[in-house]
Amino acid sequence: LAKTTQPISMDSYEGQEVNITCSHNNIATNDYITWYQQFPSQGPRFIIQGYKTKVTNEVASLFIPADRKSSTLSLPRVSLSDTAVYYCLVGDRDSNYQLIWGAGTKLIIKP
Amino acid sequence: DSGVTQTPKHLITATGQRVTLRCSPRSGDLSVYWYQQSLDQGLQFLIQYYNGEERAKGNILERFSAQQFPDLHSELNLSSLELGDSALYFCASSPRGDYGQPQHFGDGTRLSIL
Repeated sequence: LAKTTQPISMDSYEGQEVNITCSHNNIATNDYITWYQQFPSQGPRFIIQGYKTKVTNEVASLFIPADRKSSTLSLPRVSLSDTAVYYCLVGDRDSNYQLIWGAGTKLIIKP
Repeated sequence: DSGVTQTPKHLITATGQRVTLRCSPRSGDLSVYWYQQSLDQGLQFLIQYYNGEERAKGNILERFSAQQFPDLHSELNLSSLELGDSALYFCASSPRGDYGQPQHFGDGTRLSIL
């Protein structure tokens, strides 16, 4: 099975910009890349989605290079409440479009 | 509040038993997804339904089954339960069945097998 790869954990400080990168070598041609945020004992929450280049919304930006084999979630000026696990989600062309979630990146924001 | 409702919130049972988890999707959403999240395996996709029909299947065990009813709610049935089935089970919904759709998750059912 194809899989995504993310850093297991990251630390940063309040007010900093945080970038989390996900590698997805077998992304399907027509698939989108989606990022979710999860707090303990809660279901994941949609953050942002993109297909190529750059997407920005009120909470984050998503950068996707031309080959689409990776993506970077950018969180501007993080706060303590951004401490959570972040997942990237892509389709898997080798597995009949199964939904493959990355292992997630545990982001810890320090004061 | 995501609009996705899962019941029960907690379930404690014994090995060999059978349980049913229930999910009501957001109003207007036609697709339902089931996920399992345990400490050692992260978030695992189990199965997806779209408008009553199975749309995609992940690493769902043969002991597990699901269905989506005409009113679009879904049930996940887990049988011959083993200790390793202890996990959080999440349901998510989306308006359509294609994978470009952002999913909205419920708060999960925590299943504990004793």
